Amino acid sequence: AQSVTQPDIHITVSEGASLELRCNYSYGATPYLFWYVQSPGQGLQLLLKYFSGDTLVQGIKGFEAEFKRSQSSFNLRKPSVHWSDAAEYFCAVGAGSSASKIIFGSGTRLSIRP
Amino acid sequence: SAVISQKPSRDICQRGTSLTIQCQVDSQVTMMFWYRQQPGQSLTLIATANQGSEATYESGFVIDKFPISRPNLTFSTLTVSNMSPEDSSIYLCSVDGTVGAFFGQGTRLTVV
Repeated sequence: AQSVTQPDIHITVSEGASLELRCNYSYGATPYLFWYVQSPGQGLQLLLKYFSGDTLVQGIKGFEAEFKRSQSSFNLRKPSVHWSDAAEYFCAVGAGSSASKIIFGSGTRLSIRP
Repeated sequence: SAVISQKPSRDICQRGTSLTIQCQVDSQVTMMFWYRQQPGQSLTLIATANQGSEATYESGFVIDKFPISRPNLTFSTLTVSNMSPEDSSIYLCSVDGTVGAFFGQGTRLTVV
């Protein structure tokens, strides 16, 4: 069965510092992978997605993620975080014919230190 | 992209009662999905709703507790039945996109 693991429950980084959020997946075929962000009291926003092609994916808000099949990983990165990036981040895998059945990881809460 | 409207956006309900949540999308879609997000938790898929067939429930969720309707290709409802405080959650619907899914803003339910 498909699953997603986010090993870090909570991460705190200083504003302006770089960020990497870890994600590992388990999937029998070529995975469709996503990163979503949920700000306090807000809905889910799609940051980026990967389903084929270049393994380095660019997303919104300056985020990028790299798909590494050999490590079953899809880590999210940002070179310099802003206070507004404080939120909950979910890695997810898509199942089904259009990868629309989304299986979420447990999430990583990002706090920004002034 | 699809525009999804969920109603109500939030509600406070008495235990033992039921609440029906509506999900309307602005285009015809094959699959609609319902998720639950308990406080401080991730999103868990409740069921998949296809038009013209019964919903398919994930492990741990049953039709008696979460009956779902899908009368046409743009609308679905989820009912949370015989509510208890443990049902206090955000309930979200999503619809299939070209790749991946679009999510509604969710319904924040508090059971007292």
